[in-house]
Amino acid sequence: GQNIDQPTEMTATEGAIVQINCTYQTSGFNGLFWYQQHAGEAPTFLSYNVLDGLEEKGRFSSFLSRSKGYSYLLLKELQMKDSASYLCAVKSSTGYSTLTFGKGTMLLVSP
Amino acid sequence: EAEVAQSPRYKITEKSQAVAFWCDPISGHATLYWYRQILGQGPELLVQFQDESVVDDSQLPKDRFSAERLKGVDSTLKIQPAELGDSAMYLCASSLGGGGANEQFFGPGTRLTVL
Repeated sequence: GQNIDQPTEMTATEGAIVQINCTYQTSGFNGLFWYQQHAGEAPTFLSYNVLDGLEEKGRFSSFLSRSKGYSYLLLKELQMKDSASYLCAVKSSTGYSTLTFGKGTMLLVSP
Repeated sequence: EAEVAQSPRYKITEKSQAVAFWCDPISGHATLYWYRQILGQGPELLVQFQDESVVDDSQLPKDRFSAERLKGVDSTLKIQPAELGDSAMYLCASSLGGGGANEQFFGPGTRLTVL
């Protein structure tokens, strides 16, 4: 099975940098996704990591350490519109590659 | 830009009634997923289709929930009878395939309220 942990809530200031951590325990690993979800809306894809290291995409970066079962999402130059829930999701390497989501981290960006 | 379509967007029903949700995935996407998301939680997979076949329904409460994707394109999720605890957002997603880096694209969801 899968077990995914991420902080429930975080707050940050506009223009700052924030790091959202995710730890996971899995019986089979085939990649880690980060999704952004604004209140009342569907999740939207942010990043995918399957190899160790940092993936950078504009203001957002995602890091993975498979040996530590650890990932983080780094958001730079925070904007008010970044206030949302950030979901860490792990893909299984068994069966049909089921995606298991964490509970999400609610990020509030203040002026 | 292609999107996953869902209807209805909102549904209010009384317990013991039947409800049905519809999803039309992005054209060409072989894999379709139904998730349930309770407020403050992450999405939980209910059922996964590969074309018209169910490949994972281990978390689907089969005594009251059913799902079908008869022609391997659009899909219907049904609840009968609905219970108070079924109040949640029901999300449909699709992807080209199930494995690897295949990103899942989510529809806008159906918010169900059971009274």
